[in-house]
Amino acid sequence: QQQVRQSPQSLTVWEGETAILNCSYEDSTFDYFPWYWQFPRESPALLIAIRPVSNKKEDGRFTIFFNKREKKLSLHITDSQPGDSATYFCAASDGTGGLSGKLTFGEGTQGTVIS
Amino acid sequence: DPKIIQKPKYLVAVTGSEKILICEQYLGHNAMYWYRQSAKKPLEFMFSYSYQKLMDNQTASSRFQPQSSKKNHLDLQITALKPDDSATYFCASSQDEGSNTEVFFGKGTRLTVV
Repeated sequence: QQQVRQSPQSLTVWEGETAILNCSYEDSTFDYFPWYWQFPRESPALLIAIRPVSNKKEDGRFTIFFNKREKKLSLHITDSQPGDSATYFCAASDGTGGLSGKLTFGEGTQGTVIS
Repeated sequence: DPKIIQKPKYLVAVTGSEKILICEQYLGHNAMYWYRQSAKKPLEFMFSYSYQKLMDNQTASSRFQPQSSKKNHLDLQITALKPDDSATYFCASSQDEGSNTEVFFGKGTRLTVV
């Protein structure tokens, strides 16, 4: 059973547009939701993260919207740039049951920004 | 300079052989992890260690054995290699204080089993 699901599988937007990436989860004990991005032949790197005490987290052009009741979150990337082309992973962890670094990842969204 | 060093970067192994993937972190973190990424599956948690103690094992096969000789070392021994083990293995670490801390990933070891 996939605990963290992402959609769409791939997303192409024009430069300057807003990209919206979706994520949902099953486990109600998850209490930390980081988004990682990964460029080809590189390792994943933390982009932005949110805790359920907030329903929004913003960092520059990147914003997470979180809906605890529906167990859904989304990543909005405004003014998309070609350099944003990467695979985006939604992840979740339950820090109360063990190490918070035990992350459950979604399958990823392949994002492409066309100039 | 990379703070999490994984060796080797690429590895080709014969089916049935045994290999050790090396990982050292210089971030001063107390927790270390192994993750696997393959074409068939997303990033998949394998093991977690804290202060050199195994905290969690999500790997079904005993062919995968982590080894921690020092606090900042977490190697991964894989025995009886199979073609399905072909993947990129990422070592990661965090300063885990029980509450939502960033996980840093190494560059990975890309393993191909032929």
